[in-house]
Amino acid sequence: KAGVTQTPRYLIKTRGQQVTLSCSPISGHRSVSWYQQTPGQGLQFLFEYFSETQRNKGNFPGRFSGRQFSNSRSEMNVSTLELGDSALYLCASSQQSEMAYEQYFGPGTRLTVT
Amino acid sequence: AQSVAQPEDQVNVAEGNPLTVKCTYSVSGNPYLFWYVQYPNRGLQFLLKYITGDNLVKGSYGFEAEFNKSQTSFHLKKPSALVSDSALYFCAVRDPTNFGNEKLTFGTGTRLTIIP
Repeated sequence: KAGVTQTPRYLIKTRGQQVTLSCSPISGHRSVSWYQQTPGQGLQFLFEYFSETQRNKGNFPGRFSGRQFSNSRSEMNVSTLELGDSALYLCASSQQSEMAYEQYFGPGTRLTVT
Repeated sequence: AQSVAQPEDQVNVAEGNPLTVKCTYSVSGNPYLFWYVQYPNRGLQFLLKYITGDNLVKGSYGFEAEFNKSQTSFHLKKPSALVSDSALYFCAVRDPTNFGNEKLTFGTGTRLTIIP
């Protein structure tokens, strides 16, 4: 099976712009989670989608949003970018949320805000 | 609220020696525990998990971890370290009492360096 894919891998944006990141989960996985990784804050949970519904959300401002499509692919959007949004954004998929299946991570999208 | 602590930012081990990367957790109820490894410019790779059952769990690349409920610990171990084990290691916990919650809470990571 193909792993989790994320596009683009690298992105450079300017403050105030918006950005959309894409994630394709492993085939058959219905849950997609997003995480932000920075040197200062480490790995932080953004949100999780299951069957096109956001089930959980981390402590991030409303500028961070996401959605999931019927094929389980997910996108996250960050509006009005700030310098502090520079980070590695990781997407993870899992097979079924009711069971304790591990999450499988994509390679991430490295976002740089200038 | 659930939390994970990795008390060591950096661990150095000579090649061929046993290694241990420490992790302690705090969660209500019985935890679901995970170890992940991250290589430079890569995402996280799953190593192993503890859900229930035997306290010693075996995972990928010869790694194992021991769950200790009384000490609320889940230390990662390997009997003989390889230079290729050098990477950033993360411990994570998921709260099983919160149905449908996939959220993983990660520790701050431990950088493991294996010295040839």
